[in-house]
Amino acid sequence: RKEVEQDPGPFNVPEGATVAFNCTYSNSASQSFFWYRQDCRKEPKLLMSVYSSGNEDGRFTAQLNRASQYISLLIRDSKLSDSATYLCVVNMEDTGGFKTIFGAGTRLFVKA
Amino acid sequence: SQTIHQWPATLVQPVGSPLSLECTVEGTSNPNLYWYRQAAGRGLQLLFYSVGIGQISSEVPQNLSASRPQDRQFILSSKKLLLSDSGFYLCAWSGYIRAEAFFGQGTRLTVV
Repeated sequence: RKEVEQDPGPFNVPEGATVAFNCTYSNSASQSFFWYRQDCRKEPKLLMSVYSSGNEDGRFTAQLNRASQYISLLIRDSKLSDSATYLCVVNMEDTGGFKTIFGAGTRLFVKA
Repeated sequence: SQTIHQWPATLVQPVGSPLSLECTVEGTSNPNLYWYRQAAGRGLQLLFYSVGIGQISSEVPQNLSASRPQDRQFILSSKKLLLSDSGFYLCAWSGYIRAEAFFGQGTRLTVV
């Protein structure tokens, strides 16, 4: 089982739609969680951290369910500029220290 | 502020040739350092991570190796490249287990 799994996508949505990304992680000792955004042929960049109480940043809402080992990202009122790949990220302790594991990403296409 | 440098940006190498990709971080000390690979249209695969000088953890068996000769320097190497080594190689750093990772701009490697 992969350490971090995401919806395979791609998601094709019209402008203004609400879209949800889901992610599960296998290591219950995982410490912190993030969503990254990656544009085509670019490096991933932090979109937002995910806190246990849930957090919101404008049109973006992230939630964490530690009991179910589940993370979500909700984008409201999608814009054309939201088209990108969204990566679920988990930091976890390991015998060698700690490591940052990325999900395979879900590609989003927002159409006019 | 912290910055991460990765070079070269693009590289075309023949099969069987050696490889050396370098990554350096400025503005922080004792960072966690990572090498990821992303094949075309795929997610990020963690190759190596390091919590300190000379400490390397390998995630997957492969044709590559990594070294950390200095605190803020991380090198990815291969003695003989394979066609399957082609991909987008990304170096990243993070400060502590709960912190997000920051990426270099990546090296696009094509093995021909």
